[in-house]
Amino acid sequence: AQTVTQSQPEMSVQEAETVTLSCTYDTSENNYYLFWYKQPPSRQMILVIRQEAYKQQNATENRFSVNFQKAAKSFSLKISDSQLGDTAMYFCAFNDMRFGAGTRLTVKP
Amino acid sequence: NAGVTQTPKFRVLKTGQSMTLLCAQDMNHEYMYWYRQDPGMGLRLIHYSVGEGTTAKGEVPDGYNVSRLKKQNFLLGLESAAPSQTSVYFCASSFTNEKLFFGSGTQLSVL
Repeated sequence: AQTVTQSQPEMSVQEAETVTLSCTYDTSENNYYLFWYKQPPSRQMILVIRQEAYKQQNATENRFSVNFQKAAKSFSLKISDSQLGDTAMYFCAFNDMRFGAGTRLTVKP
Repeated sequence: NAGVTQTPKFRVLKTGQSMTLLCAQDMNHEYMYWYRQDPGMGLRLIHYSVGEGTTAKGEVPDGYNVSRLKKQNFLLGLESAAPSQTSVYFCASSFTNEKLFFGSGTQLSVL
């Protein structure tokens, strides 16, 4: 079975700085999808970014980008120019089935 | 469009009671999911459905049953609630491996 590991339970960053959240996964599949979801205090789950495993190019969405290393089974999320509104729980997910335990990110003014 | 609607939003049960959580989506998605969220454990998949009339077990199915009689609805049942089922429950729907659309969650407490 696939597993998803987020090794950083909590992180903090100063406003306007850059932070990277780590995610590793285990699978024997060759084609799959990886996701980062954000959960602010409102509890709503929001898609941040999506990566298709067969695509070599790393996905980007405005200030959010990923470093996808397929051989290493690593999928980290970089948030540039951090904003106070980025404060949230961040979950890495494998396909629609398996989520990591989450990283609580706090952006400090 | 409403997206994904979960009812109820909050519920308190006594041990041994039963209840059903309702999830409804209006996006014509084939795939629907039920997750539970516990502190420090992220979201864990309970059951899912790949189409009307189909259901399948996820990571933590014990103590739960589901039904998908209509494409737009996915019901999660607890036949005999236990304190270990105290959690936040999320329903979601999607076209497979596309963006998951989540409901707003149900906070369930079992005393």
